[in-house]
Amino acid sequence: QKEVEQDPGPLSVPEGAIVSLNCTYSNSAFQYFMWYRQYSRKGPELLMYTYSSGNKEDGRFTAQVDKSSKYISLFIRDSQPSDSATYLCATVTTDSWGKLQFGAGTQVVVTP
Amino acid sequence: EAQVTQNPRYLITVTGKKLTVTCSQNMNHEYMSWYRQDPGLGLRQIYYSMNVEVTDKGDVPEGYKVSRKEKRNFPLILESPSPNQTSLYFCASSFLPGNYGYTFGSGTRLTVV
Repeated sequence: QKEVEQDPGPLSVPEGAIVSLNCTYSNSAFQYFMWYRQYSRKGPELLMYTYSSGNKEDGRFTAQVDKSSKYISLFIRDSQPSDSATYLCATVTTDSWGKLQFGAGTQVVVTP
Repeated sequence: EAQVTQNPRYLITVTGKKLTVTCSQNMNHEYMSWYRQDPGLGLRQIYYSMNVEVTDKGDVPEGYKVSRKEKRNFPLILESPSPNQTSLYFCASSFLPGNYGYTFGSGTRLTVV
């Protein structure tokens, strides 16, 4: 069983809708959480990172972490066709900084 | 421009023929890492390095070697490639992966026939 589980999708939404993505993890030692966006034929790029439970906002993006449930979420408001990409969650423990663990990624398609 | 550069972008090779994929970063990052990405499996870490001459295994190190003789370079070596190593490979670097995540290169698509 993977340490980080993520539904692969695809998730198709109309332009302007809210996109809701989530991951679950099994290791309670994970303390830092990230969301990456990956366009086709490109490397992943960091969208957001957070340390604590709660919400973190950055423009149209909100990252949410619930450590008690081992559940992390990403919400994209007012989605645009340019948001069509694969979104990957990632996490790491403080005693193994280099070993960033990724979910399998969720493909998102925003239709005009 | 701050970046991670991988070469080549595409490579087709035959089983057993040694190959090296190069990776270089110009951001003075301590951490560097190699991942492979396969459909349905996502990104899996092969090796990572916390600094020069310090490397450690990731989740799928079998069949791969790495070296970190200089801070900016972190080549991935396949001594005897096999078809199950056909994949999309990414090199990445970071000051501190927990706080800043990794910056990824553009990827190397390797096909072993």
